[in-house]
Amino acid sequence: EPEVTQTPSHQVTQMGQEVILRCVPISNHLYFYWYRQILGQKVEFLVSFYNNEISEKSEIFDDQFSVERPDGSNFTLKIRSTKLEDSAMYFCASSGNLLGMTNQPQHFGDGTRLSIL
Amino acid sequence: QKEVEQDPGPLSVPEGAIVSLNCTYSNSAFQYFMWYRQYSRKGPELLMYTYSSGNKEDGRFTAQVDKSSKYISLFIRDSQPSDSATYLCAMSDGDRGSTLGRLYFGRGTQLTVWP
Repeated sequence: EPEVTQTPSHQVTQMGQEVILRCVPISNHLYFYWYRQILGQKVEFLVSFYNNEISEKSEIFDDQFSVERPDGSNFTLKIRSTKLEDSAMYFCASSGNLLGMTNQPQHFGDGTRLSIL
Repeated sequence: QKEVEQDPGPLSVPEGAIVSLNCTYSNSAFQYFMWYRQYSRKGPELLMYTYSSGNKEDGRFTAQVDKSSKYISLFIRDSQPSDSATYLCAMSDGDRGSTLGRLYFGRGTQLTVWP
């Protein structure tokens, strides 16, 4: 079964450094998402991306965050200057294809655990 | 406020028991309801997906939605030790073409099924 893959599984970074989290969504999906889960808290929406632009973002997704689809298969989340409170699991998800089905649910990767020191 | 409430548990049951997991929500615009299962150090795995009110059954799993009460449930029959995981409810107001748009999650209920 096709799956969303994320790399690395664990990233340790010094506060203030830039970090890039990488995702390969399911190949025929059109919509891409990033969510995060701080330890012990809910999974929270960050951003959705469609047709090479952001379609929706939450209040968490401030100027320190950016997303990019640099080629036909990868989807990245960049945090420009990391803070201690950015420590969390970051999940990539994808959904939606051209088969004419509407309102398709999202499928998630296994996440990248980001630890800010 | 698009809040989703879910009792975090933990819930511990013997093998073979019927498990009931529940979420409540406040936003009447939610129309699409999902249950995800999350094993330790893994991502959420889609388990059940329903639209509007009613029941949906898939093997040992039954999802129920009561929009009038803003209440959703997941029932697991004949529970197995392999069902031990965290169960997350999620919901959306949909209407974004071929995708649901952003999901709003509950906190998750940690379930342990012991042999």
